[in-house]
Amino acid sequence: GAVVSQHPSRVICKSGTSVKIECRSLDFQATTMFWYRQFPKQSLMLMATSNEGSKATYEQGVEKDKFLINHASLTLSTLTVTSAHPEDSSFYICSAKGDRRANYGYTFGSGTRLTVV
Amino acid sequence: DAKTTQPNSMESNEEEPVHLPCNHSTISGTDYIHWYRQLPSQGPEYVIHGLTSNVNNRMASLAIAEDRKSSTLILHRATLRDAAVYYCILRDPPAITIQGAQKLVFGQGTRLTINP
Repeated sequence: GAVVSQHPSRVICKSGTSVKIECRSLDFQATTMFWYRQFPKQSLMLMATSNEGSKATYEQGVEKDKFLINHASLTLSTLTVTSAHPEDSSFYICSAKGDRRANYGYTFGSGTRLTVV
Repeated sequence: DAKTTQPNSMESNEEEPVHLPCNHSTISGTDYIHWYRQLPSQGPEYVIHGLTSNVNNRMASLAIAEDRKSSTLILHRATLRDAAVYYCILRDPPAITIQGAQKLVFGQGTRLTINP
């Protein structure tokens, strides 16, 4: 149980275009979802926290107009990287928190590798 | 900011036990200690968590110091598949508030290498 599906696993886009990444909780309701970014050889950096039906809370230094987060249902959150630039190339990972299951409620997706050319 | 400190890297041999230390000297009374690991090009995977007592599951054991300012993740017989970055994490904030859900804030973790 407690599976999070993240799609796509990798994407290449042209500079200036937008990319949408989906995060779905498959077998539980995710009251809260988290979005992280990870650069090579570095740790995960939390970008934002989203609760179903409300606006996301962004961490300091993360541009909310550039990284649009939508959490329209208890099983789906999306991250849209708008007007992507090469410096946005990174590994993006979502995490979903639901009820208290075996892993105490935090389940991670498998990540999306974004390359902006 | 992460509230834990771990060695940057450790190395061990296959089929030997591995002890991964973590210091969390500012831990509060309600802080659970979480361990996750991340294999290359994957999202983090839950390993174990605990509050005060030592904990065991099929993946590992967690030994928590009596003063709770440090803990050790124990892999009893390491395999090559255990090569990963291991993160020791305290949630932020330590208790649920009206501001919202507790976050997992990752530090640098320990990169574990397993030699065949």
